[in-house]
Amino acid sequence: EVQLLESGGGLIQPGGSLRLSCAASGFTFSSYAMSWVRQVPGKGLEWVSTISGGGGTSYYADSVKGRFTISRDNSKNTLYVQMNSLRAEDTAIYYCAKLLLMVAFDIWGQGTMVTVSS
Amino acid sequence: SYVLTQPPSVSVAPGQTARITCGGNNIGSKSVHWYQQKPGQAPVLVVYDDSDRPSGIPERFSGSSSGNTATLTISRVEAGDEADYYCQVWDSSSDHWVFGGGTKLTVL
Repeated sequence: EVQLLESGGGLIQPGGSLRLSCAASGFTFSSYAMSWVRQVPGKGLEWVSTISGGGGTSYYADSVKGRFTISRDNSKNTLYVQMNSLRAEDTAIYYCAKLLLMVAFDIWGQGTMVTVSS
Repeated sequence: SYVLTQPPSVSVAPGQTARITCGGNNIGSKSVHWYQQKPGQAPVLVVYDDSDRPSGIPERFSGSSSGNTATLTISRVEAGDEADYYCQVWDSSSDHWVFGGGTKLTVL
C-alpha cells in the first residue's frame, strides 16, 4: 500500500525552527518528485516546496523562499523540510505529497500541524 | 504569478449534476488537476490532466478545460460527494504549483 506519514509538527515560538519528516512506503521513492503543501485550518491549500526524485532540484513558494529548505534521503525513503525563522502566518497543517508526472499530487499524507505562537 | 479563481460555493440536489469551474488566463493550454477534500481528511486527487481519473475514482467525476475555464463535473451527485474541491495547475513560467481557492459543494 502506498503511504506517506508526516511527523515533527508542534508548537514553536516565532523566530524558531522546526524540521518536518515524511516517511514513504509502497512505491519507489527515488523515482518521484515530492512536495510539501500546507493548509491553514478552514482555509485553502497552498503549495510550499517541491524536490526532484534525485534531490538535485528544488522549488519554493515565494512565501517561504530563503526560510525553508526541502531535502530527501532516498536511502531512508524520507522527505524533509527544515523551517527556519518561523512566523505566525506559517501556522498550518503541513502535508507531504507525491507528484504524478511532476504536475499533480496523487498521494497525500495525513498531515502534521505546526503552530507558531508565543 | 498565475491565479486560479473558483466560486466559493456550489449547491446541488442529490441525483443532479454539479459543475465546479476554475478560471485562469488561457487555462486551456495547461493541464488541470482536481482534488476533493472532506472535513478532517487529506485531499484526494479525483481528476488529473484535465479529464483523466485515477484508479478508484468513480466515472461520475469528469473534467474538461478550454479557453479560460476548466470544469469539474460530478454526475448523479450523492450525499458523500459533499466536500471542498480544489483545482490546481503547474505554472511553467514560474515553476510554481498553483491551487485555486476552493469550492464548497453542498448537497441539498
